[in-house]
Amino acid sequence: AQSVSQHNHHVILSEAASLELGCNYSYGGTVNLFWYVQYPGQHLQLLLKYFSGDPLVKGIKGFEAEFIKSKFSFNLRKPSVQWSDTAEYFCAVRSYNQGGKLIFGQGTELSVKP
Amino acid sequence: DAGVIQSPRHEVTEMGQEVTLRCKPISGHNSLFWYRQTMMRGLELLIYFNNNVPIDDSGMPEDRFSAKMPNASFSTLKIQPSEPRDSAVYFCASSIDRGQDYSGANVLTFGAGSRLTVL
Repeated sequence: AQSVSQHNHHVILSEAASLELGCNYSYGGTVNLFWYVQYPGQHLQLLLKYFSGDPLVKGIKGFEAEFIKSKFSFNLRKPSVQWSDTAEYFCAVRSYNQGGKLIFGQGTELSVKP
Repeated sequence: DAGVIQSPRHEVTEMGQEVTLRCKPISGHNSLFWYRQTMMRGLELLIYFNNNVPIDDSGMPEDRFSAKMPNASFSTLKIQPSEPRDSAVYFCASSIDRGQDYSGANVLTFGAGSRLTVL
């Protein structure tokens, strides 16, 4: 079945550690790719997006993601996390082969220890 | 811009009661989405509208759920009758959708959500 998969359910890091969260999708054709963040008790906010062009995209708060088309991946990275990055992170894919629906991965909960 | 506005923010009701959740999208946005978030199932797309027309309702769990968008500035999600397993946070989101080649569009902005508890 076509889907969006996030490899890690829960990641625990210390401050200043580097972060990489995996995301793979299985949709064909043209896709738009997104990472959203949900801070505790809040709604989803856009972190970054990829539509076309440079496969390395930079978002807010020092996050970046790399689109690797051959691997159907869109991994999220940050060189040095902060306690305030504690949140749940969702990868999402909008495939026009799927009628333009935005489909989310299961989410990865990130806990950063001070 | 006030963003996507949802009401109520919290709703506690008893099994069997009718629940109506409301959403006002961002002015000028032509696509509207309803999602449900639970611990077990994550974020599920229930239904989405484009230009007030339902495009895909394949995520609506069963006939107890219905959604309408009578005009560009208002949508409702109704559950009748409600059951405890419907307890979740329901998010509404909107976007400008002009197709896959418009790089400034297609980003969903989410509302704060409506937390539903069915006892």
